[in-house]
Amino acid sequence: ETGVTQSPTHLIKTRGQQVTLRCFSQSGHNTVSWYQQALGQGPQFIFQYYREEENGRGNFPPRFSGLQFPNYSSELNVNALELDDSALYLCASSFVQGLVSPLHFGNGTRLTVT
Amino acid sequence: AQKITQTQPGMFVQEKEAVTLDCTYDTSDQSYGLFWYKQPSSGEMIFLIYQGSYDEQNATEGRYSLNFQKARKSANLVISASQLGDSAMYFCAMREGTLVDGATNKLIFGTGTLLAVQP
Repeated sequence: ETGVTQSPTHLIKTRGQQVTLRCFSQSGHNTVSWYQQALGQGPQFIFQYYREEENGRGNFPPRFSGLQFPNYSSELNVNALELDDSALYLCASSFVQGLVSPLHFGNGTRLTVT
Repeated sequence: AQKITQTQPGMFVQEKEAVTLDCTYDTSDQSYGLFWYKQPSSGEMIFLIYQGSYDEQNATEGRYSLNFQKARKSANLVISASQLGDSAMYFCAMREGTLVDGATNKLIFGTGTLLAVQP
């Protein structure tokens, strides 16, 4: 089975610009979620998509938005980039069934905002 | 409010020795799950082990075991026979509630412990 893949690996943007990060979930998984990991911190939950609709959101402003497509691909969009948005963005997928249902993460996209 | 605390920013261990990484958690839920993830320098988060709040026995997965002390709200990870490839960041995480179809599979992470295995 294929794992979770993210693109691009690295990205440099200027403050005020918009960015789209992409993810391909693991085959068979029914949720995709995005996490932001600032340097030296643990990942923080941005939101989750289930059946192409957002069904959970962390403490992030509306300029963070997403899409989930039927072919296991998904996007994280960030508008009006700020310097503090510089971080590693991790995509994670899971098949929600039972108690464990671990998240499977991709390698992340490292975003630098200058 | 749910919270994960990892008090060891960094740890050293000699190859082939055992090491314990500490994790304490705070939750008001009776049902929750605790996870440990490994993050090498490549960035990927690798799932290691899971402990449910109602599990009576400590979880084990190969060289990984979880020392679960519910009354103390601690879930320490024990790595036996350390290998050089174990050098990485280790994160403890918690999910509150039980999962049903469509539930939010959200994890709260600690700040991590950087483990360095020395030859």
